[in-house]
Amino acid sequence: EAGVAQSPRYKIIEKRQSVAFWCNPISGHATLYWYQQILGQGPKLLIQFQNNGVVDDSQLPKDRFSAERLKGVDSTLKIQPAKLEDSAVYLCASSVTELRDGYTFGSGTRLTVV
Amino acid sequence: AQTVTQSQPEMSVQEAETVTLSCTYDTSESDYYLFWYKQPPSRQMILVIRQEAYKQQNATENRFSVNFQKAAKSFSLKISDSQLGDAAMYFCAYDGNQFYFGTGTSLTVIP
Repeated sequence: EAGVAQSPRYKIIEKRQSVAFWCNPISGHATLYWYQQILGQGPKLLIQFQNNGVVDDSQLPKDRFSAERLKGVDSTLKIQPAKLEDSAVYLCASSVTELRDGYTFGSGTRLTVV
Repeated sequence: AQTVTQSQPEMSVQEAETVTLSCTYDTSESDYYLFWYKQPPSRQMILVIRQEAYKQQNATENRFSVNFQKAAKSFSLKISDSQLGDAAMYFCAYDGNQFYFGTGTSLTVIP
């Protein structure tokens, strides 16, 4: 089966600019996650979707980050305006239903804010 | 609050030898799952092995096995017959009411 697709692979922007990341999960996976992985740290959950509804966005900095999953399939994560500390890899993952099946991760987008 | 601790930022192992990566966690929950993920330089996160907390038997997947000590809240990963392709970051993860990753252990395999 095809994996979780993410684009772009790399992005460099200046601080205060906007950026958007795209994720296409595995077909049939109802649950989609966005993670932020800062260099040297483990991934941190930003937001979890179940179909097109938000299940958990408690760690999403809502003043600058937003995410949507229209039609319960693809998802986009946006940062506006970006800060230097947003430099990280943004990982998308999907699972059939519950976390306990284990996720399938995409290859991530490496964001550098200069 | 649940936390996951990996106390070994870096580990190395000789090819064909065995290495054990440590992970401890803190929780007040009785029902949860534990995972080990591998992240090679490609950044793809790959599920290595998972363990249900209610199962006493340690999970095994080919050369990978875990030592799950529920009372001690310890969940170590043993890699037997290490191969060059095992070189990667390894993350321990906890799944209860929320999902937490550890900070990772970078494994180097020496030819």
